[in-house]
Amino acid sequence: DAGITQSPRHKVTETGTPVTLRCHQTENHRYMYWYRQDPGHGLRLIHYSYGVKDTDKGEVSDGYSVSRSKTEDFLLTLESATSSQTSVYFCAISYLLPGLAGGRRVDTQYFGPGTRLTVL
Amino acid sequence: GQQVMQIPQYQHVQEGEDFTTYCNSSTTLSNIQWYKQRPGGHPVFLIQLVKSGEVKKQKRLTFQFGEAKKNSSLHITATQTTDVGTYFCAGLITSYDKVIFGPGTSLSVIP
Repeated sequence: DAGITQSPRHKVTETGTPVTLRCHQTENHRYMYWYRQDPGHGLRLIHYSYGVKDTDKGEVSDGYSVSRSKTEDFLLTLESATSSQTSVYFCAISYLLPGLAGGRRVDTQYFGPGTRLTVL
Repeated sequence: GQQVMQIPQYQHVQEGEDFTTYCNSSTTLSNIQWYKQRPGGHPVFLIQLVKSGEVKKQKRLTFQFGEAKKNSSLHITATQTTDVGTYFCAGLITSYDKVIFGPGTSLSVIP
């Protein structure tokens, strides 16, 4: 499972409260991703990171921010949680194969166990 | 925006019957990946197809990538209860340089 853990695994919170989810990996992978999974929508990319302090937005980034101050940790923050952010959140990594010009990214995603977030 | 669609959304089959899910993209894909997610679990990578018209097999699973690299299919022969789960396709869209997941097909197998 590419050494990925997520915490917490379950959380119930109230509308308007800040929430931070943590993704931790032990294998020094460069690329990390945050997805949310909702019925009928599959997995939608929230934010991703291609290195320490290098992050970018995905397709559903509104209401979310991320930080990556260390290679092993990628944090997802909901500054003021809303009921529409009730979801299952998955962290994922992808590999970088060594090679010319800094290496080649392998697109295969390896997922963590997920965090079930309920916003009341 | 870029979209990856899958049909059907749900499929219920009797154990031993075959199952097929189809994946279609609005744009040309650099590659297509397939994932399986068991109930309560996380998506697990199954396979990646890169070449136009490519066909790959994993035991009872057959994966195809269309000639135009806009569609793909996953076929399971003689389903078993262990095949239960949701199957996602995910396409790498070159211009976007991101992997876009389809909504998934949920497979139920009746013993």
